[in-house]
Amino acid sequence: DAEITQSPRHKITETGRQVTLACHQTWNHNNMFWYRQDLGHGLRLIHYSYGVHDTNKGEVSDGYSVSRSNTEDLPLTLESAASSQTSVYFCASASGGAGSGELFFGEGSRLTVL
Amino acid sequence: GNSVTQMEGPVTLSEEAFLTINCTYTATGYPSLFWYVQYPGEGLQLLLKATKADDKGSNKGFEATYRKETTSFHLEKGSVQVSDSAVYFCALSDRGGAQKLVFGQGTRLTINP
Repeated sequence: DAEITQSPRHKITETGRQVTLACHQTWNHNNMFWYRQDLGHGLRLIHYSYGVHDTNKGEVSDGYSVSRSNTEDLPLTLESAASSQTSVYFCASASGGAGSGELFFGEGSRLTVL
Repeated sequence: GNSVTQMEGPVTLSEEAFLTINCTYTATGYPSLFWYVQYPGEGLQLLLKATKADDKGSNKGFEATYRKETTSFHLEKGSVQVSDSAVYFCALSDRGGAQKLVFGQGTRLTINP
């Protein structure tokens, strides 16, 4: 079965370190997204991609970067982790086409920055 | 910009009670509207959707009707079960946005036996 997987599921790091969260999907979806989930804020969009070599900033992109070198993967990098980036991060993918709306989510990566 | 507002949680009900979770939105144009559900320890999954005014989305006994005149998409279920305990998110998608969803803050629902 096709799926979307995130790794690591849990990570603890220190302020100032670089961290990369991996996202891999086997649906061959063009569209991929990274969200962060925080209490009282719901999910907020960090970055997204509509295809290979395409990346776009979302609502809360400062301090994060992504790259899309193939269809399956969209790694999220925190260049210099800050305590404000402690959160649960969700990757999602979708097949494309405006308005269809169904995103397929990974199980999330819980990041703690000390 | 586009935004979604959900009723404050948490919501606690007894089994077989009637459920309503309110959702209102602000958007330009004619967005598509969604309810996603997140069970403990899992990612979000689509519960139901509606793509135009007066459409009713339904799934697993849940329903929501796209009301353009009141800019609302309230989630309802006639008789909830313990297994419905989860966090529910209302969301909208700009028709040109290729699934770039805007989410509400989420409502945690707990159903007691």
